[in-house]
Amino acid sequence: NAGVMQNPRHLVRRRGQEARLRCSPMKGHSHVYWYRQLPEEGLKFMVYLQKENIIDESGMPKERFSAEFPKEGPSILRIQQVVRGDSAAYFCASSPSDGTRNTEAFFGQGTRLTVV
Amino acid sequence: AQRVTQPEKLLSVFKGAPVELKCNYSYSGSPELFWYVQYSRQRLQLLLRHISRESIKGFTADLNKGETSFHLKKPFAQEEDSAMYYCALITGTYKYIFGTGTRLKVLA
Repeated sequence: NAGVMQNPRHLVRRRGQEARLRCSPMKGHSHVYWYRQLPEEGLKFMVYLQKENIIDESGMPKERFSAEFPKEGPSILRIQQVVRGDSAAYFCASSPSDGTRNTEAFFGQGTRLTVV
Repeated sequence: AQRVTQPEKLLSVFKGAPVELKCNYSYSGSPELFWYVQYSRQRLQLLLRHISRESIKGFTADLNKGETSFHLKKPFAQEEDSAMYYCALITGTYKYIFGTGTRLKVLA
């Protein structure tokens, strides 16, 4: 099991462009989480998805940000019309759905987005 | 409100000294709490979970429901403990909420 894979590791976008961040969860994991980490700050929850469903998007900015976790393929975090303030590290995590809350979340190595 | 608070951004201790990383939580239900660690240039990984009552790398954490705390402790810090530590809570809907993290620096 390769672990949670995020790509790209580094992404540079000009203001106004779109950024697409991908996350492939660990095999057998059906819960995916996205977090944002601004410089010198901790992890901020953005969105929690299960296959084809957004469960909780209370941490997502109302505009320009969207996330999906399709039946096939990776989860995608999409940021439209990026601005300098979107520059951050974006982390994805996945966990299995074993019916308990004692499950560990496994993290990817993150995508560092830089908006120039 | 569901919240995890880590009041210290940075904690510096000397090698061999005791360490306590503070974590307080706010959650109306029965809490399930974790400590995660991120060593330099590595991904965030689980250190320990309260339900297991285990000691990992000499670290322990006790859930105190009266004080709504889950402080991480180690009696004798080592240089390799230098890392970023995050306290986390999982809700009934499987959402993980993280604190802002504490950077631990163990000085030689």
